[in-house]
Amino acid sequence: GNSVTQMEGPVTLSEEAFLTINCTYTATGYPSLFWYVQYPGEGLQLLLKATKADDKGSNKGFEATYRKETTSFHLEKGSVQVSDSAVYFCALSNSGNTPLVFGKGTRLSVIA
Amino acid sequence: GAVVSQHPSRVICKSGTSVKIECRSLDFQATTMFWYRQFPKQSLMLMATSNEGSKATYEQGVEKDKFLINHASLTLSTLTVTSAHPEDSSFYICSASIPRDRNTEAFFGQGTRLTVV
Repeated sequence: GNSVTQMEGPVTLSEEAFLTINCTYTATGYPSLFWYVQYPGEGLQLLLKATKADDKGSNKGFEATYRKETTSFHLEKGSVQVSDSAVYFCALSNSGNTPLVFGKGTRLSVIA
Repeated sequence: GAVVSQHPSRVICKSGTSVKIECRSLDFQATTMFWYRQFPKQSLMLMATSNEGSKATYEQGVEKDKFLINHASLTLSTLTVTSAHPEDSSFYICSASIPRDRNTEAFFGQGTRLTVV
């Protein structure tokens, strides 16, 4: 079946540090891949997505590249800010009528 | 972009009472919606799949008589927590996707923080 594995947190970084959150997946067919962000007390917001191999999703300085050969979709940001502190979820989808498959989430804390 | 609205965002109720949470797709028709529960500092746990015009599909271990789901229209699904107890206190989130489009992301409601006292 489909599954998503992402690095365990929490991750604590200083402001302006480089961020990588690893995500690998197992899926049948050709899934779409997503990163969602959840700020405290809120629902999930889409951060970025990629729908086919070698696609790069990007938003707000975050990037992730769909790597089919390594079944990975690692999230990166060159310089994090305190406002990036949140929980990040990697997810995949094979169909619009089935629920997303989520990783367990990675809590990021950025300190000034 | 598509929007999913969830209401209320926060509710406190007495033990033994029932609480209804609404999830609406504002600018698209959602034949399927999903209900999740999230415990503090944990990932989302899928509770059930809400299907318009038919019975919901519940995940293993989720009590269907406890968590009643009604998907009466293409834009509205409701989750009713019946005879709530303190252990039902949690963060509940709904989501919907544009049907038959695997490239589209899931759109999430803002979540409902339920506290049972």
